Amino acid sequence: GMPVEQNPPALSLYEGADSGLRCNFSTTMKSVQWFQQNHRGRLITLFYLAQGTKENGRLKSTFNSKERYSTLHIKDAQLEDSGTYFCAALMGYKLTFGTGTSLLVDP
Amino acid sequence: EAAVTQSPRNKVAVTGGKVTLSCNQTNNHNNMYWYRQDTGHGLRLIHYSYGAGSTEKGDIPDGYKASRPSQENFSLILELATPSQTSVYFCASGDVGTGGYEQYFGPGTRLTVL
Repeated sequence: GMPVEQNPPALSLYEGADSGLRCNFSTTMKSVQWFQQNHRGRLITLFYLAQGTKENGRLKSTFNSKERYSTLHIKDAQLEDSGTYFCAALMGYKLTFGTGTSLLVDP
Repeated sequence: EAAVTQSPRNKVAVTGGKVTLSCNQTNNHNNMYWYRQDTGHGLRLIHYSYGAGSTEKGDIPDGYKASRPSQENFSLILELATPSQTSVYFCASGDVGTGGYEQYFGPGTRLTVL
């Protein structure tokens, strides 16, 4: 299978809702990065994790290398959260990307 | 703050023509990468480099060459461009630091091959 499987491929939320994205890895990865791609196509790094959990405002991410997954949790979704979210896992010095989650937040 | 820049930001080329995409980083990172992004595939690695003078094949290197003349610059070269190479190309740099290993991405180059 794919080295990095990302779900769901698309997600629609109302403002104020909470939801989560998940990436599963086919093998042990060294670290994970989560990105948001904005409407201009720019990749914005949300988190870099080698282990454990990080929080930044309404966003929270967890990486469990042993269990081979990572999650990104969005709390109290806002309109500006709309965009495409990617996880990317590190093997050696190479990143392998998931296929992305297209998030639409509606008022 | 990490700084990776790409030029040009947009490019239209003709089939069979030569295209060079340039990337510059001011982070003094050893490693640099070229990816392409297509709908349904996320970003895929084309070529990468461990330092000046080195280039390595990534996951989809066919039809592309790379050049790393210096620590700061990494170019992607399409000798004979084809319409299938129409895509958005991202450059990145990265290195081992106290926080681990993180890659920093440029703004992307949109290439259209007619």
